Amino acid sequence: SQQGEEDPQALSIQEGENATMNCSYKTSINNLQWYRQNSGRGLVHLILIRSNEREKHSGRLRVTLDTSKKSSSLLITASRAADTASYFCATALSGAGSYQLTFGKGTKLSVIP
Amino acid sequence: DTAVSQTPKYLVTQMGNDKSIKCEQNLGHDTMYWYKQDSKKFLKIMFSYNNKELIINETVPNRFSPKSPDKAHLNLHINSLELGDSAVYFCASSPRGGGVYNEQFFGPGTRLTVL
Repeated sequence: SQQGEEDPQALSIQEGENATMNCSYKTSINNLQWYRQNSGRGLVHLILIRSNEREKHSGRLRVTLDTSKKSSSLLITASRAADTASYFCATALSGAGSYQLTFGKGTKLSVIP
Repeated sequence: DTAVSQTPKYLVTQMGNDKSIKCEQNLGHDTMYWYKQDSKKFLKIMFSYNNKELIINETVPNRFSPKSPDKAHLNLHINSLELGDSAVYFCASSPRGGGVYNEQFFGPGTRLTVL
């Protein structure tokens, strides 16, 4: 079954507002990663948070991880039209699955200028 | 310089044909992957190679055969194409074990349309 599930499926906000996307997963993980996909393009890695970390920042991005609830959130502050894209969370397992990332279905973010 | 490149970008073909998609990475990475993204944007791992050795082979029809001639290349050959094979195929690479250890770098994708 699918490991990561993003919520909401689609999000539309005005430029300058903050955007929050959530990801829930089912099994224990080694780390969780967020990727962005612009329309018609490949995925671009945004941030990786390990299971022993609770929060991580990168520029306007803030990611939190709650392993007790098996959930993560991605916050984009002061959004720009260029942030319009689909955002995916991906989970990495330990051990035999260590080479594998399991992706969710993504949140489609639209930032209106 | 393009880090992970795929050719062709678009591929339109008839049912029953055999086609190949090529992938090359110039990042010096050990591990390469093929993913399939369906019309609903769901991204699913198909294969993974580490140093030319197959390490992940998800439940994929055996009409799909990956080939890694060297560490920098991972090609995907598809026999007897079916309508359901229509999707976007992404190649990716990572320095080593791109899950536990680090992120993956994706190519631009190949949109395959089977008529």
